[in-house]
Parts: sequence; structure tokens; C-alpha cells
Amino acid sequence: EAQVTQNPRYLITVTGKKLTVTCSQNMNHEYMSWYRQDPGLGLRQIYYSMNVEVTDKGDVPEGYKVSRKEKRNFPLILESPSPNQTSLYFCASSKLASSSYEQYFGPGTRLTVT
Amino acid sequence: GQQLNQSPQSMFIQEGEDVSMNCTSSSIFNTWLWYKQDPGEGPVLLIALYKAGELTSNGRLTAQFGITRKDSFLNISASIPSDVGIYFCAGRRSNMLTFGGGTRLMVKP
Repeated sequence: EAQVTQNPRYLITVTGKKLTVTCSQNMNHEYMSWYRQDPGLGLRQIYYSMNVEVTDKGDVPEGYKVSRKEKRNFPLILESPSPNQTSLYFCASSKLASSSYEQYFGPGTRLTVT
Repeated sequence: GQQLNQSPQSMFIQEGEDVSMNCTSSSIFNTWLWYKQDPGEGPVLLIALYKAGELTSNGRLTAQFGITRKDSFLNISASIPSDVGIYFCAGRRSNMLTFGGGTRLMVKP
């Protein structure tokens, strides 16, 4: 089954404790992206990757890091989480073609930073 | 970053009614996408639009890519209870997607 998976689905942590949220896709997609969703703000793009070893900042990259060492994986790293990073996070992937930017989303990771 | 203006923010309608929602922007987009999000899940793609003026249907859903490339609308005909959820528009420019704030649809049986 074609899918995007994220782990963990739920995470409660404390300020300053480094964490990683994993994302994996099995569709051989070149493009992967991370979003955060906050009430009334829709989804905002944090980082995206066009291919292995190619990453770029989205609209809200501050406080986040990513890496793309393999095509299927795109982990999101919070080196020193703060309460304002409490949010619902989504990973997404898509083919990379001018006629196809149909992104497929994972199930989400709800993060709470206290 | 810019966010799309999506309206209405919420709608509470009777089953069987038609629904219309739209997104506008001050900037041009190359692609418009419409997603639906059910509680506890990620957004699911409903319709993708690639050309200005394009009108595309998917069952009871119809969406259009505005001629100016700065807007798009989504219509749902004869709504049913399972249409409940949050609908998002998204515009693509270069390699990034920008999302609207969402329209929360509630359907009364």
C-alpha cells in the first residue's frame, strides 16, 4: 500500500530536550516536505526536499532541522524544542514533475512541549 | 510567508444543500489543489487544477482555477453527512505549497 508514515503519532516533551520525528514514504517520490498545522492558520511549510541531500527552507523554518540522506526518509529534528513548537506536524511527499504536485500526507504527529 | 485567504471559515448546512468555498490571493499560483482533512488524519487530495480557467469535477465536487490565477473555488453538490471535515485550498508557486486557513464544514442530517 502506497503511504507516508510518521513516528511517533503523539509526543509530549519538555523544553530543550532534543527530539526527532521520522517520516518515510514508499512511493519513490523525489519531493518531501514538513508542515505544521495550527488552529486558524492552516498548514505552514517548515522545510522541503527536492531529492537526496537537497533541502530548502519553507515559510517557518526557525527552530527546526531536516536531513535527506535517503530518498524514502525525511526526519524532522527539533534541537531545543520550545512551547511555541507545540503543534500538529505533517509530512508529505510527491513526484517532482511540472504537471504533478499532488502531495500525499502522513497521518500527523501531535507534539506538546511543556 | 504568504497565506491564502480562504472563506468561509466555517459552514453549518443541511444535508442535501450545495456548498461553495473559495480562496483568493494577491499573488499568482501555477497550480491549485483542494484537500479534505478528517479528524485525526492528514489532508487527502480531492482535486488538482493546473491551468487558468480549468474546471474539474470529482463526483459531487467541482473546482475551478481562476482566470487571473489568483483564486479558486470548490463546490460540493447535494452534501451528505460524510462531507463533514475541514477543506483546504493550496496554491503552488515554484517548489512550495501555500495553504489557506481552511473551511470547516458541518452537515446536519
